[in-house]
Amino acid sequence: KNQVEQSPQSLIILEGKNCTLQCNYTVSPFSNLRWYKQDTGRGPVSLTIMTFSENTKSNGRYTATLDADTKQSSLHITASQLSDSASYICVVSAFRNNDMRFGAGTRLTVKP
Amino acid sequence: NAGVTQTPKFQVLKTGQSMTLQCAQDMNHEYMSWYRQDPGMGLRLIHYSVGAGITDQGEVPNGYNVSRSTTEDFPLRLLSAAPSQTSVYFCASSYSWTSGTTGELFFGEGSRLTVL
Repeated sequence: KNQVEQSPQSLIILEGKNCTLQCNYTVSPFSNLRWYKQDTGRGPVSLTIMTFSENTKSNGRYTATLDADTKQSSLHITASQLSDSASYICVVSAFRNNDMRFGAGTRLTVKP
Repeated sequence: NAGVTQTPKFQVLKTGQSMTLQCAQDMNHEYMSWYRQDPGMGLRLIHYSVGAGITDQGEVPNGYNVSRSTTEDFPLRLLSAAPSQTSVYFCASSYSWTSGTTGELFFGEGSRLTVL
């Protein structure tokens, strides 16, 4: 079983709407959690990185939350744009030997 | 700065052939790594390096070889390609590697490999 589970696998929304992507993890001991955006045919690009003490972090229309007690994170996208169509990947790092675990991603499609 | 540059972008091999995927970064990053991305799965670490002359295995190292003779370059070698190595490969680098975890990862654009 993957140590980082993302839901939903895919999501279709209309332009201008908001959406929330989920990430649950079992990686331990927890070091940090990152969200990446991956456009089709491109490499992932970092959106946010959160450590244990951070509950919320924003990057423009993207807001990530972290609940280290329940081992859950969410990525909220506000006022979606067509350019938000991409895969969003959750990555959780443990404090040992470069152990980073990648979720399978959520494929978001924004339609006009 | 070009960032992380990978070549080639596409490659088709026959089973048993060998090849090298090239990766170069111009950000003077200590940490470099190779991942493979398969449908429905998260990226998986193949090999990584924390500096010139230092490499280590990741989660799925079998069938792959790496070396790090300079800070800038980190090539990935497939010694005898197999259909199971059909995948998209990403090189990534980071400016830091402390306490067993990396700083922000910068990814290349990927190399799509098909093994027939």
